[in-house]
Amino acid sequence: GDSVTQMEGPVTLSEEAFLTINCTYTATGYPSLFWYVQYPGEGLQLLLKATKADDKGSNKGFEATYRKETTSFHLEKGSVQVSDSAVYFCALSEKETSGSRLTFGEGTQLTVNP
Amino acid sequence: EPEVTQTPSHQVTQMGQEVILRCVPISNHLYFYWYRQILGQKVEFLVSFYNNEISEKSEIFDDQFSVERPDGSNFTLKIRSTKLEDSAMYFCASTETGGGAADTQYFGPGTRLTVL
Repeated sequence: GDSVTQMEGPVTLSEEAFLTINCTYTATGYPSLFWYVQYPGEGLQLLLKATKADDKGSNKGFEATYRKETTSFHLEKGSVQVSDSAVYFCALSEKETSGSRLTFGEGTQLTVNP
Repeated sequence: EPEVTQTPSHQVTQMGQEVILRCVPISNHLYFYWYRQILGQKVEFLVSFYNNEISEKSEIFDDQFSVERPDGSNFTLKIRSTKLEDSAMYFCASTETGGGAADTQYFGPGTRLTVL
């Protein structure tokens, strides 16, 4: 079945450091790929998404490119801020018809220190 | 900005008791979902719901679980006889359109269920 694997956390960085969180996936078809973020005490929020190969999703300085050849969707940000501290989830959705489920990775806890 | 809301934020219950977790999806959304996250584990899909019936369910969603849209705004998850292993954070989500792979699911803040 479908699966998503994220790099193990937690990740601790200093402010303005470069961030990469690795995500690879296994799917039988052509999934859509997502990054969700969960700030402390809040629900999951969509950060960015890409729906086909070579698409780049971007939002709030974060980027991820859908790489079909390496089945990856790594999250990057050039300069992190303290406010980026959160848990980041990579996810995929495959079913084109109704009620498509999301399959999540393990989540990566990011802490950014001033 | 419209958001998905969930109540209660934390529910404590005794093993064997029934619990109902409540969600109010975004008002013009058509597809509704429940997920759960056991502490330290992945977020797992439970069920999707459209047009007053279950669209898809996972192997976790056995006979002790049920979902309902009792009125035009609420979407509920009932666990009939709770077990210790049902302790988890339960998330509700909704999508505006067809619920396909590219559609964004909007999540609520979750209900933490603790079964003693």
